Order: sequence, then structure tokens, then C-alpha cells
Amino acid sequence: AQSVTQPDIHITVSEGASLELRCNYSYGATPYLFWYVQSPGQGLQLLLKYFSGDTLVQGIKGFEAEFKRSQSSFNLRKPSVHWSDAAEYFCAVGGEGNKLVFGAGTILRVKS
Amino acid sequence: NAGVTQTPKFQVLKTGQSMTLQCAQDMNHNSMYWYRQDPGMGLRLIYYSASEGTTDKGEVPDGYNVSRLKKQNFLLGLESAAPSQTSVYFCASRRVLAPSTDTQYFGPGTRLTVL
Repeated sequence: AQSVTQPDIHITVSEGASLELRCNYSYGATPYLFWYVQSPGQGLQLLLKYFSGDTLVQGIKGFEAEFKRSQSSFNLRKPSVHWSDAAEYFCAVGGEGNKLVFGAGTILRVKS
Repeated sequence: NAGVTQTPKFQVLKTGQSMTLQCAQDMNHNSMYWYRQDPGMGLRLIYYSASEGTTDKGEVPDGYNVSRLKKQNFLLGLESAAPSQTSVYFCASRRVLAPSTDTQYFGPGTRLTVL
């Protein structure tokens, strides 16, 4: 069965600094991988996804993620964080019927 | 185009009461999903529906039932609410035109408290 691990429960970054959120997955075949963001009291918004091809994926709001099959990872990055990026971030892997399996989430705090 | 809508936004129940959470989508998507979100556990799939009239269990279906009588609606029922069902419930619908567009769109959530 597929699973997703987000090792960091909380991360604090200074505004303007770079960001990397870690995600490791377990899946038997080539995965569909997703990053979603959730602002407080809101639903989930898709940041980006990988389904095939180029392993570096560009998303909205200046985010990117790199699929590394050898490491079973799909880490999310942003070169310069803005205060409005403070939110909870979820990595997910898509299995049969695109039934998503989510990680536990990483809460990002941005220091001014 | 409202996307995915959920009603109610908030609900408080007493143990043993029943209720139905409603989800509607206006994007003509075939697949719909119900998830629950609990702190430190991410989102877990309760039930999903690949098409109108079909439903299937997800990871945590116990204590819930679902109904997909119309393509645009997916209902989640709690027959006898328990405190363990206190959670935030999210509905999603899925667009699948090609792998590149395979995406789930989420509603704003329903916050349920069972006393």
C-alpha cells in the first residue's frame, strides 16, 4: 500500500530565505505526486504535481518540486519565502482511481 | 462556477445523533471523494465515487455511509455520531481528461464536533 512521510511537522523560515519541505513516498509503480497548500480555515489548493516526464516540476506561487525516484522523494522548494506562504503543506501520492494518500502535513511559519 | 461547495460549514452533534454532510460540484466531474482531516494525520479517504450511482470504501469508512444519486452531489451520512468522528470533512471532485490534467479539487470543508 502506498504511504507518504513528511518528516517535519513544523518549519520556521525567515522571510526572503529559501525553503525546502521534505516528502518521501512508498508506491509500487510510477507515482502521481502532488503538493497541496492549506491556509487556516480553508480547503486545499493544488500547488503542483508530477505524473511523468521532466522530474523538476514548476507550480503556482513560485514553488517547484523535484521527483527523485532513487530516493523516493518529492521535495518542495521555493527560493524566497513570503509572509503569505505561511500555511500547512501536504504531500500526496495518487494510487488506483487517484485515491490520494496524504502525508501528515508540514506547518510553515514565516518570521519577519 | 462555484467549484466544490459543502454544507454546512460547522455542525455540533450529540453522541448518537445522525446527520448528512452535503457536497456539490458544478464542474461535471465523474469522480468525487470524502476525506476527513485530523491533526497530525493529514487527510484520510472515507469513501469515493468513480461515477454516478457507484461508491466504494476508502481507508476509514466505518461509521459512515454515502450516496451518489446525482452526478453533481455526493452525500456523507453519519448514522450514529461518536466523539471519534469529530473532525474536519473535505469533499473533492476529480477532473480526468488526461494524466496531465488529473487533479482533485477540494471544497472548503465542514467542521464537525460530536459531544
